[in-house]
Amino acid sequence: DGGITQSPKYLFRKEGQNVTLSCEQNLNHDAMYWYRQDPGQGLRLIYYSQIVNDFQKGDIAEGYSVSREKKESFPLTVTSAQKNPTAFYLCASSIPGQGGGYTFGSGTRLTVV
Amino acid sequence: AQSVAQPEDQVNVAEGNPLTVKCTYSVSGNPYLFWYVQYPNRGLQFLLKYITGDNLVKGSYGFEAEFNKSQTSFHLKKPSALVSDSALYFCAVRYTDSWGKLQFGAGTQVVVTP
Repeated sequence: DGGITQSPKYLFRKEGQNVTLSCEQNLNHDAMYWYRQDPGQGLRLIYYSQIVNDFQKGDIAEGYSVSREKKESFPLTVTSAQKNPTAFYLCASSIPGQGGGYTFGSGTRLTVV
Repeated sequence: AQSVAQPEDQVNVAEGNPLTVKCTYSVSGNPYLFWYVQYPNRGLQFLLKYITGDNLVKGSYGFEAEFNKSQTSFHLKKPSALVSDSALYFCAVRYTDSWGKLQFGAGTQVVVTP
């Protein structure tokens, strides 16, 4: 079955460390997205990518980086510059330009220890 | 610019009663509107969308939503709620400058009691 896989499900980071969250999809979707979810704030867009080797900053990109070397993969790195990284991170994909919605992964919960 | 608001943090309803989750939006041009549901520690699942056409949209799990252009609302409804409908519900609107980005509301927690 097609879908989006996020790993790991839980991740613990020490202060000052960079960590990378994985997102892989086999839906043949061109567009991929990263959102951050905090209680009471809904989902906020971090980065998005329309096609391979291209990506754009979202509303809260500071302290994060991404790459899109393959259509299937859109990893997110949470850098030490992100001052409050503890959150639930969601990856999604879609067919851009159409009226369709997103397909979401199951999320990664990142905790700073 | 666009925005979406969900005015209620939580909605409580008894099983078997009608369920309504409110959403209002602000967007220039014709809106693309969506509803998603999230269960604990899971990703969001698509429920339904409005692009154009009939103002009453039917979706998954018996949910429907009514688009009201004059009130800029897109309320989610279910005639008879189930305990299993207890979850976090998100309304979303497509960015006006975009080919597909969505902006999400803050979410509404639905609690259905037996």
